[in-house]
Amino acid sequence: EVQLVESGGGLVQPGGSLRLSCAASGFTFSSYNMNWVRQAPGKSLEWLSYISTDSNTIFYADSVKGRFTISRDNAKNSLYLQMNSLRDEDTAVYYCARYGAGGTQRPFDSWGQGSLVTVSS
Amino acid sequence: EVVMTQSPGTLSLSPGERATLSCRASRYISSDLAWYQQRLGQPPRLLIYGASTRATGLPDRFSGSASGTEFTLTISSLQSEDSAVYFCQQYHYWWTFGQGTKVEV
Repeated sequence: EVQLVESGGGLVQPGGSLRLSCAASGFTFSSYNMNWVRQAPGKSLEWLSYISTDSNTIFYADSVKGRFTISRDNAKNSLYLQMNSLRDEDTAVYYCARYGAGGTQRPFDSWGQGSLVTVSS
Repeated sequence: EVVMTQSPGTLSLSPGERATLSCRASRYISSDLAWYQQRLGQPPRLLIYGASTRATGLPDRFSGSASGTEFTLTISSLQSEDSAVYFCQQYHYWWTFGQGTKVEV
């Protein structure tokens, strides 16, 4: 069974930093591209970042470019999101999501339970 | 950015009734459209991809269709467990989501 488990969320002051982790199991993590997606309270979903299997291709949404850094460790079956210069509007549940296999344009076929990040003074 | 617009905002129906959810893309996205179900307090779950292909294990009362930049998710006979918010997502130009349709059964 595919499992994605996020951790590292919490309360942080504006301007602060947090590092989210996503532990993957039940599939060959190194064979899948991965993403981070967030959902502000009561809002829709916002894609944040994509990383390829070998970390050579990385994309960011404009809203987080220059502040957030995605990375992965295939030996540890883990995905990360380093979040710096956090703002009130970054308050959200953060999900890691697996990019579907089998082509260049695919949906996100598995999601973690999410990790809540609250940015507040 | 491709803007995805969903309608209606909320759909209140009785068990056994048919639900029709719409999603419109602001530009051509081929059939690179997915539907997700999000129950309260849960992560999104992939239902449909390629506009009309059901995810593994999805009951056949869920179906998707497309006409140009208009996409439809149909739930043929609603059950109580279908109460959720449904999001569409395009994955043709980056990845963007609609604002969601809440289905109350």
